[in-house]
Amino acid sequence: GAVVSQHPSRVICKSGTSVKIECRSLDFQATTMFWYRQFPKKSLMLMATSNEGSKATYEQGVEKDKFLINHASLTLSTLTVTSAHPEDSSFYICSAQPGHRGQGETQYFGPGTRLLVL
Amino acid sequence: AQSVTQLGSHVSVSEGALVLLRCNYSSSVPPYLFWYVQYPNQGLQLLLKYTSAATLVKGINGFEAEFKKSETSFHLTKPSAHMSDAAEYFCAVSVNDYKLSFGAGTTVTVRA
Repeated sequence: GAVVSQHPSRVICKSGTSVKIECRSLDFQATTMFWYRQFPKKSLMLMATSNEGSKATYEQGVEKDKFLINHASLTLSTLTVTSAHPEDSSFYICSAQPGHRGQGETQYFGPGTRLLVL
Repeated sequence: AQSVTQLGSHVSVSEGALVLLRCNYSSSVPPYLFWYVQYPNQGLQLLLKYTSAATLVKGINGFEAEFKKSETSFHLTKPSAHMSDAAEYFCAVSVNDYKLSFGAGTTVTVRA
């Protein structure tokens, strides 16, 4: 149980285009989903917290207009990288938290999406 | 704010030897602590978590971790390393909210 999928697993796009990444909880409902960015040989950096039916909460330094997050249902959150540039190239990972948001709740992670912007 | 520090960015062990990955946390309130494993080009998989119940936590794949408040530590161990244990390991902490703060990660290589 507690499986999270991401699509696509890998995407290459041209500079200036927009890319949408989907994150789905396959066997549970997720009130809260998280989006992380991971640079090579580095740890995960939380970008934003996505709450179903409300606006995402972005971490300091993350551009809201560049990284659009939508959490339209309890099983789907999307991250759209708008007007992508080479510096946006990275490994993007989502996670989902079952049930109600609470202390110590386990986050289940997706397999990640490798974005390369040319 | 809470944080974790993983001592040692790279650990190399022989197959069959003890695996010890160190994690120290900083928190002004009782923390929730997690260990995750990441295989190349994949997401993170939960190994185990501490949520103020037993201080010795057993996880998957033979791993366990012990919460020591006096040492503010949550080190991860496995008695006998297997080749499949080669991966990146992350310690993470959560305090009053649901957010996770990750350590820098420790790369484990296993020698045959």
